Amino acid sequence: ILNVEQSPQSLHVQEGDSTNFTCSFPSSNFYALHWYRWETAKSPEALFVMTLNGDEKKKGRISATLNTKEGYSYLYIKGSQPEDSATYLCAPHSGGGADGLTFGKGTHLIIQP
Amino acid sequence: DTEVTQTPKHLVMGMTNKKSLKCEQHMGHRAMYWYKQKAKKPPELMFVYSYEKLSINESVPSRFSPECPNSSLLNLHLHALQPEDSALYLCASSHNQASGRMREQFFGPGTRLTVL
Repeated sequence: ILNVEQSPQSLHVQEGDSTNFTCSFPSSNFYALHWYRWETAKSPEALFVMTLNGDEKKKGRISATLNTKEGYSYLYIKGSQPEDSATYLCAPHSGGGADGLTFGKGTHLIIQP
Repeated sequence: DTEVTQTPKHLVMGMTNKKSLKCEQHMGHRAMYWYKQKAKKPPELMFVYSYEKLSINESVPSRFSPECPNSSLLNLHLHALQPEDSALYLCASSHNQASGRMREQFFGPGTRLTVL
């Protein structure tokens, strides 16, 4: 899937504040949406794989929602902590077989103490 | 074991050298991937192997030659590379099944390649 857009490109948030960012993608031929967290000097780590319209997933203080009809997903972080500082990548995915991922450019999140 | 390992961690090679990158996983995943990541950009897909057969080649130059000798191993053979091929090369694996969570990809730490 092409034309994956993530916004904002970068984000500075005070420790303790909550934040959210967006992944937009074409709604046609949609199968699943992946969210990954990528910390400096580490491997990208899967956060969520979402498939159903209206789906909401949660992992600790991080949650995500999915709207396949309008082609967007939000990632929310509640009560940001310094360890949340990372680049958050989304990758919409079409097809059910083994396909590689086309990532958006990511949102670079910096949590300021 | 939920780990994807890659060797070497760092590699410096000349444009006339032949070298190989290796990737290994023991999670029973039958899909394996090579990605290339340049500074400040997201990973870009290079190759996909499904059940040890090459299923996707994203128009990668022939100086990159992938190989999947068995279900746990994935190699990337390098020959006559150019300086612009310097990048972080990431390997990943996943299940082949179509259902949601099963499709998440597990990434290795990458090989940092420098071509002189």
